[in-house]
Amino acid sequence: SQQGEEDPQALSIQEGENATMNCSYKTSINNLQWYRQNSGRGLVHLILIRSNEREKHSGRLRVTLDTSKKSSSLLITASRAADTASYFCAIMNSNSGYALNFGKGTSLLVTP
Amino acid sequence: DTGVSQDPRHKITKRGQNVTFRCDPISEHNRLYWYRQTLGQGPEFLTYFQNEAQLEKSRLLSDRFSAERPKGSFSTLEIQRTEQGDSAMYLCASSLTSDEQFFGPGTRLTVL
Repeated sequence: SQQGEEDPQALSIQEGENATMNCSYKTSINNLQWYRQNSGRGLVHLILIRSNEREKHSGRLRVTLDTSKKSSSLLITASRAADTASYFCAIMNSNSGYALNFGKGTSLLVTP
Repeated sequence: DTGVSQDPRHKITKRGQNVTFRCDPISEHNRLYWYRQTLGQGPEFLTYFQNEAQLEKSRLLSDRFSAERPKGSFSTLEIQRTEQGDSAMYLCASSLTSDEQFFGPGTRLTVL
């Protein structure tokens, strides 16, 4: 499969804690993207990391990429109740043209 | 609102009927994508347009499915002879580059 696979499937933490989600994939990639989905706002792009990059930051988000292990992680620091959502990694590789290949997602619950 | 819009937001139909969905991308975006998402899964790629040309189609897109983007602006996705297995959320996305994709709110299809 060309899609990413997230781990864990579900994660429950308290506000203020950090949340880490992992993504593994099997093919070579052009880039890996993380998206968030909740019922209120649909699917929203969070961050993109290219195959020649190892780490990127955006606000409270930190993404790492290890192409030798074919894995990525998304860290959300100082989580808030509003971070409650499903998080998906999406792979873009040269074999799939411009299609994004999504995993099944990690469901994050942040409780006050 | 200058985001991606989809119409209708919900569609209930009987098995065997035809349905058509519309997507209006962000105005300057020349790339348009259709995805399908079922409960508990990530979005699955269906097809991709660059301007009016349909450049990529997934094996998921059976011959009952057809998509068009006649003038390189809005797109339609038609499903003929709907089946219960077609019940899903149909997502449209657009982009200007091969990077971030901007998703619409989706059309939820229920086939009875």
